Amino acid sequence: AQSVTQLGSHVSVSEGALVLLRCNYSSSVPPYLFWYVQYPNQGLQLLLKYTSAATLVKGINGFEAEFKKSETSFHLTKPSAHMSDAAEYFCAVSSANTGFQKLVFGTGTRLLVSP
Amino acid sequence: SQTIHQWPATLVQPVGSPLSLECTVEGTSNPNLYWYRQAAGRGLQLLFYSVGIGQISSEVPQNLSASRPQDRQFILSSKKLLLSDSGFYLCAWSVLGWGDSGNTIYFGEGSWLTVV
Repeated sequence: AQSVTQLGSHVSVSEGALVLLRCNYSSSVPPYLFWYVQYPNQGLQLLLKYTSAATLVKGINGFEAEFKKSETSFHLTKPSAHMSDAAEYFCAVSSANTGFQKLVFGTGTRLLVSP
Repeated sequence: SQTIHQWPATLVQPVGSPLSLECTVEGTSNPNLYWYRQAAGRGLQLLFYSVGIGQISSEVPQNLSASRPQDRQFILSSKKLLLSDSGFYLCAWSVLGWGDSGNTIYFGEGSWLTVV
């Protein structure tokens, strides 16, 4: 069975500081990995995804994530936080072994950005 | 481009009343369709998914049901709501395959359900 662990339910950074949101996955087959962002009272928006191509994936809004198989990690980073980055971030894993995509989500990390 | 519409956006219902949340997808055909629930302070839980008209798979036993009467329409229902049904419900779609939209799940804006 697949699973995702997001370390830290809340992460606080100052505006302009590095953002690092951690995600570790468990999967018995090559995974597809995703990061989604959720702003208050809204649906989830795809930030980026890894599907076995380049291990460093660049997404929207300046975010990127690196797939590290040896560490089973897919941490999300952004060099400089903006106030508008304050939101909840979800890591998710899936695989195509059944021919059908089902996402397993982590419990989310709320990013707080202070001026 | 593809769009997903979900309604109503908010709903306050008494315990024991029925529920109907609707979702439609435009700009694609034969999508996989999903209903997720997000309870307060928790992650997302997959409730139902559908690979075609009339084909519904339930992920967890619960007080809810889903139907897919048309290719791009997905409905979440309940005959009698429970307090524990309160939460944020998200409809989503995906298509299998390569390309930018392949193997990615796209979400609607969500529906807030409060059972009182």
